[in-house]
Amino acid sequence: GAGVSQSPSNKVTEKGKDVELRCDPISGHTALYWYRQSLGQGLEFLIYFQGNSAPDKSGLPSDRFSAERTGGSVSTLTIQRTQQEDSAVYLCASSLAWGGGNTGELFFGEGSRLTVL
Amino acid sequence: AQKVTQAQTEISVVEKEDVTLDCVYETRDTTYYLFWYKQPPSGELVFLIRRNSFDEQNEISGRYSWNFQKSTSSFNFTITASQVVDSAVYFCALSEDSNTDKLIFGTGTRLQVFP
Repeated sequence: GAGVSQSPSNKVTEKGKDVELRCDPISGHTALYWYRQSLGQGLEFLIYFQGNSAPDKSGLPSDRFSAERTGGSVSTLTIQRTQQEDSAVYLCASSLAWGGGNTGELFFGEGSRLTVL
Repeated sequence: AQKVTQAQTEISVVEKEDVTLDCVYETRDTTYYLFWYKQPPSGELVFLIRRNSFDEQNEISGRYSWNFQKSTSSFNFTITASQVVDSAVYFCALSEDSNTDKLIFGTGTRLQVFP
């Protein structure tokens, strides 16, 4: 498809299990972002990729959270030993990016809703 | 520190009413960017507008208009003659980084437009 694709759309897991969330950005978009949306909260920045490198991972809440991007395309967000407070919608976005400028237009996926029981 | 405040959690209006969504921001930078995004029930955020800190001109796009006032650190969004399709959560966001699209979002305002 032409948009940002995220999978799974819904994930229910037990506390302590690991989960992987996948993001397939728009073809040609070099920048990729992960955000988290919790009930009643705004969108919380987690990590940003430019190509395969992550210049800014300042938003990752703990060392249980990690992300990688391969081939300048697909990204995976991994949460280890999930906790109930990890329950949220995880949103991925991509954008065209070039040095020295920003477009401001992030293209978002529909998100992965994670529920930790 | 940068921060975006959307004090209105939820607004309900009847179709054809005008509605204004408030956004107040905090930043120490002189160069920054302000945004509005719409999140319909499908969940996919949609970009509406970007404004840089040097451009205080108000903008109008169809039924949408934006009022940027640096003196009050506000970037308010008005929908004229609202329609049911405008029902969504609207997020205001701020960026201080001209090299990325890393945004700091407010908590959003849920707008419900009733027929």
